Amino acid sequence: AQSVTQPDIHITVSEGASLELRCNYSYGATPYLFWYVQSPGQGLQLLLKYFSGDTLVQGIKGFEAEFKRSQSSFNLRKPSVHWSDAAEYFCAVGSGGYQKVTFGTGTKLQVIP
Amino acid sequence: NAGVTQTPKFRVLKTGQSMTLLCAQDMNHEYMYWYRQDPGMGLRLIHYSVGEGTTAKGEVPDGYNVSRLKKQNFLLGLESAAPSQTSVYFCASRSGLAASADTQYFGPGTRLTVL
Repeated sequence: AQSVTQPDIHITVSEGASLELRCNYSYGATPYLFWYVQSPGQGLQLLLKYFSGDTLVQGIKGFEAEFKRSQSSFNLRKPSVHWSDAAEYFCAVGSGGYQKVTFGTGTKLQVIP
Repeated sequence: NAGVTQTPKFRVLKTGQSMTLLCAQDMNHEYMYWYRQDPGMGLRLIHYSVGEGTTAKGEVPDGYNVSRLKKQNFLLGLESAAPSQTSVYFCASRSGLAASADTQYFGPGTRLTVL
């Protein structure tokens, strides 16, 4: 069965600092990988996705993620964080012909001035 | 274009009561999903549908039933609500086309409290 681990429950960074959110997955074949963001009281918005090809994926809002098969990781990065990036971030993996998606438990990002 | 909508936005039930949550999408998507979100547990799949008239169980289906009588609607039912079903429920849909071009679109959520 597929699974996703986000080891950091809560992260605090200063505005303008760089950000890296960790995600590790478990899946036997080549996975479909996603990062979503959820602002308080809102639904989920897709930041980026990886299906195949280039292992460095660019997304919206200046985010990028790198797929590393050898480490079973798909970490999310942003070079300079803005106060509006404060939210909860979810990593997810799709399988089974991409019928189902399994989500991680999320990482809450706090941005301090 | 409304996307994915959910009705109601909030609801309070007493233990044992029943209710139905409605999810509607206007994007002609084949696949629809119901998730629940609980603190520290991320989103967990309850049931999903890969087309009109079809449904399948997800990770946490017990205590819930679903129906997909029309392609644009996906209903989630609680026959006898329990406090453990207090949660935020999200509906999502996707086209079902080639995976590389496909994305799940989420509704705004329904906050359900069972007393």
